[in-house]
Amino acid sequence: EAQVTQNPRYLITVTGKKLTVTCSQNMNHEYMSWYRQDPGLGLRQIYYSMNVEVTDKGDVPEGYKVSRKEKRNFPLILESPSPNQTSLYFCASSSLGGGEGGYTFGSGTRLTVV
Amino acid sequence: GEDVEQSLFLSVREGDSSVINCTYTDSSSTYLYWYKQEPGAGLQLLTYIFSNMDMKQDQRLTVLLNKKDKHLSLRIADTQTGDSAIYFCAVLWANSGYALNFGKGTSLLVTP
Repeated sequence: EAQVTQNPRYLITVTGKKLTVTCSQNMNHEYMSWYRQDPGLGLRQIYYSMNVEVTDKGDVPEGYKVSRKEKRNFPLILESPSPNQTSLYFCASSSLGGGEGGYTFGSGTRLTVV
Repeated sequence: GEDVEQSLFLSVREGDSSVINCTYTDSSSTYLYWYKQEPGAGLQLLTYIFSNMDMKQDQRLTVLLNKKDKHLSLRIADTQTGDSAIYFCAVLWANSGYALNFGKGTSLLVTP
């Protein structure tokens, strides 16, 4: 089944403790992206990657890092999480140009930083 | 910068039609999508329309695109309680590095 898999689904952590949210897709998509969803603000793009070793900032990249060492994986790294990074995070992938398939989204990771 | 706007709430009676509207600012759109998000779930692609089309119908869903007014709408015929969800309009612009730009979402409530 074509899918984007994120882990974990839920995470509670303390301020400053480094964490990684994993994302993997099995559709051989070139494009992968991370979004955060906050009430009243909709979805905002954090980082994206057009292919292996090619990453770029989205609209809200501060406090986040990403890497794209393999085509299928695109982890999101919070080196020193803060409470304002409490949010619902989505990973998405697509073929370049979006196309009829659009973006396929993972099920989301709900992160709470205390 | 590019902007996508949607009304935040819509309430309809079961069996009626729902129309969710979306406006956008940049005319270089390529694909325009509608996504559905149910509580506690991810985003599910409902339908799309390419920018050179005016209308697309897919079972109960009808998408209308007015490029001149930069207006997109999603009509759901015979709305059911299972259609209650948040609906996101998303626009892919040619000059935005393939970033998908989302509206803030419209919460649709279907009452019996």
